[in-house]
Amino acid sequence: GENVEQHPSTLSVQEGDSAVIKCTYSDSASNYFPWYKQELGKGPQLIIDIRSNVGEKKDQRIAVTLNKTAKHFSLHITETQPEDSAVYFCAAIVNTDKLIFGTGTRLQVFP
Amino acid sequence: GAGVSQSPSNKVTEKGKDVELRCDPISGHTALYWYRQSLGQGLEFLIYFQGNSAPDKSGLPSDRFSAERTGGSVSTLTIQRTQQEDSAVYLCASRSYRGFGNTIYFGEGSWLTVV
Repeated sequence: GENVEQHPSTLSVQEGDSAVIKCTYSDSASNYFPWYKQELGKGPQLIIDIRSNVGEKKDQRIAVTLNKTAKHFSLHITETQPEDSAVYFCAAIVNTDKLIFGTGTRLQVFP
Repeated sequence: GAGVSQSPSNKVTEKGKDVELRCDPISGHTALYWYRQSLGQGLEFLIYFQGNSAPDKSGLPSDRFSAERTGGSVSTLTIQRTQQEDSAVYLCASRSYRGFGNTIYFGEGSWLTVV
C-alpha cells in the first residue's frame, strides 16, 4: 500500500551541527519527493524537492538525496541555526497525483 | 491571489452543527488537495481534485465529510453533524497541473474546534 516512513520523530542538535532526516517510501512508481517545513500555527512550506531522475539536489545549507533502488530519500541541513527549529515532513507522490506525507520530525536547534 | 487562500482561518462550532471550509487555489492550478492535521500530528490525506473531478476521495473519514470543486477553482470541504474528534487544522494545497514533479503549495489552514 501507499506508505512513507520518516525517522527520527525528534532530533536535537547544537547550533552549527548537521541534521539528517530519513524517509522510505513503498510505491516504486513514485517520482517526486518534496520536503516541507512547518512552524507552529502555520501551513507547511516547501523547502526543497527532488525528482526521480536526480540523485542529489542542494540549495545553500539544505540538500536532499534519493536512492531509488532502496526507495530511500534524506534531508541534510548543515550549519544549523535556531531558526531551523520546526517540524519537517517528507512526502512522496503516489499514483501520479496523490501526495502522501511522512509522520514528521521535530527538529530543535539549541544555541 | 499570490498563494493558496483558506477561510475561515479559525472556526469554533457546536457539536452537531455543519461547517463549510473554503479553499481558493493559486490561479491556474488544476490540482487541489485537502489534508487534515490533528494537534501535533502528521498530515492525513482526505481528497484531491483534478479540475472539478475527484479521482481519489479515499481519505474522507466518514460520510459526514464531503467536498466539491466548481469552475476548476474554489473548493469547499463540508463536515456535517460535527463531532469533537473533527477538531483539527484542515489544510488545502494546489498544484499547477497533473504531471511529473510539479510543486505543491499549501495554505495556512482552517483551524476547526468543535465544542
